[in-house]
Amino acid sequence: EIMLTQSPGTLSLSPGERATLSCRASQSVTNNYLTWYQQKPGQAPRLLIYGTSSRASGIPDRFSGSGSGTDFTLTISRLEPEDFAVYYCHHYGSARLTFGGGTRVEI
Amino acid sequence: DVQLLESGGGLVQPGGSLRLSCVASGFTFSNFIMGWVRQAPGKGLEWVSVISADGRSPFYADSVKGRFTMSRDNPKDTLFLQMNSLRAEDTAVYYCAKEKPGSGWSFDYWGQGTLVTVSS
Repeated sequence: EIMLTQSPGTLSLSPGERATLSCRASQSVTNNYLTWYQQKPGQAPRLLIYGTSSRASGIPDRFSGSGSGTDFTLTISRLEPEDFAVYYCHHYGSARLTFGGGTRVEI
Repeated sequence: DVQLLESGGGLVQPGGSLRLSCVASGFTFSNFIMGWVRQAPGKGLEWVSVISADGRSPFYADSVKGRFTMSRDNPKDTLFLQMNSLRAEDTAVYYCAKEKPGSGWSFDYWGQGTLVTVSS
């Protein structure tokens, strides 16, 4: 079973800055099924990126996903006030789903 | 618009049972894989279970296998999660979610969640 480690735990940035969030897998991800969600307090998660780099419907192009093997990245090119939230990655493989622990992006 | 509406949460004693429901609307329910994801208070997301579109193939996280049963009633556009032998560590908000087809169980629509509290 692949385990996912997200870093950093908390990222303190200002609006307009670039955010780089990491999701590291314990084994190589061979199927490209790496997904990113955003979650704000009191809300359900929102799908951002699936298949490592495909943006979900309605997601602004300041959000991008990349990576391969064991290292994956979510980049927010210029933080908007509404982007301050917690971000989770997950991987699908062998009929199971694994979530990372999350990264909080705060002002 | 796609909507998912969970119900059935509440307070239950350790060892007890609870049945969650999720009513779907705004899409052809029987065509999509569906899942349950939970979130303990102040914690991260944890996958619970997924079921195939036809309901024949459920999959479970190790933490709930043998205690939880996921099912669906396609004519009634409803998803279920039967939870037995509940433990304190099952306390969480439970979300039902719809898969984006072909995305490796990535969920593009989520309900608002229902809170399950296991406590004596």
